[in-house]
Amino acid sequence: GNSVTQMEGPVTLSEEAFLTINCTYTATGYPSLFWYVQYPGEGLQLLLKATKADDKGSNKGFEATYRKETTSFHLEKGSVQVSDSAVYFCALTPSKTSYDKVIFGPGTSLSVIP
Amino acid sequence: DAGVIQSPRHEVTEMGQEVTLRCKPISGHDYLFWYRQTMMRGLELLIYFNNNVPIDDSGMPEDRFSAKMPNASFSTLKIQPSEPRDSAVYFCASSLVGDRLPLGSGNTIYFGEGSWLTVV
Repeated sequence: GNSVTQMEGPVTLSEEAFLTINCTYTATGYPSLFWYVQYPGEGLQLLLKATKADDKGSNKGFEATYRKETTSFHLEKGSVQVSDSAVYFCALTPSKTSYDKVIFGPGTSLSVIP
Repeated sequence: DAGVIQSPRHEVTEMGQEVTLRCKPISGHDYLFWYRQTMMRGLELLIYFNNNVPIDDSGMPEDRFSAKMPNASFSTLKIQPSEPRDSAVYFCASSLVGDRLPLGSGNTIYFGEGSWLTVV
């Protein structure tokens, strides 16, 4: 079946540290991949996405590359800020030939301390 | 553009009472989703609609839960009777798929800010 696995949290980093949040997926066909972010007290919002292999999504200094060979979509940022403290969700839509519900990972909580 | 609008933002109710959560999706979107988020179970899809028609309600926990979408700009999620274990954040979300080809490619889901429900 289709699924998303994320690294266990919570993750605590100092400001300006390098961030990696691992995400791997299982899917039939050719999924689209997403990272959503949830700030405290808010709903989820799209951070970045990639729709085909080797695509790189980027936004607000965050990047993730769609790696079909390793079925991964790891989120990275070179220098985190306190304002990046949030929960990050990796997600996929399984197929490009029909709409299907989005499959979310369990989320990884990030705390950035000054 | 206004985003997905949910009401109420916060609700505290007594066990056994009826709870109605409301959602206005983004204008023009053709998919609407109801999610529930708890610490224990994370984010769960309860039900989703396409063009106001329920497509998959397999995530609805039990008969106490019901959802309707009478028109393209309004949906409700009702819990009757409510129980303490229903305490959670309920999110409404919407998406535009339309006749875009290939379907499902990179469609973004837009979430509301959530309705925080506490059943005591």
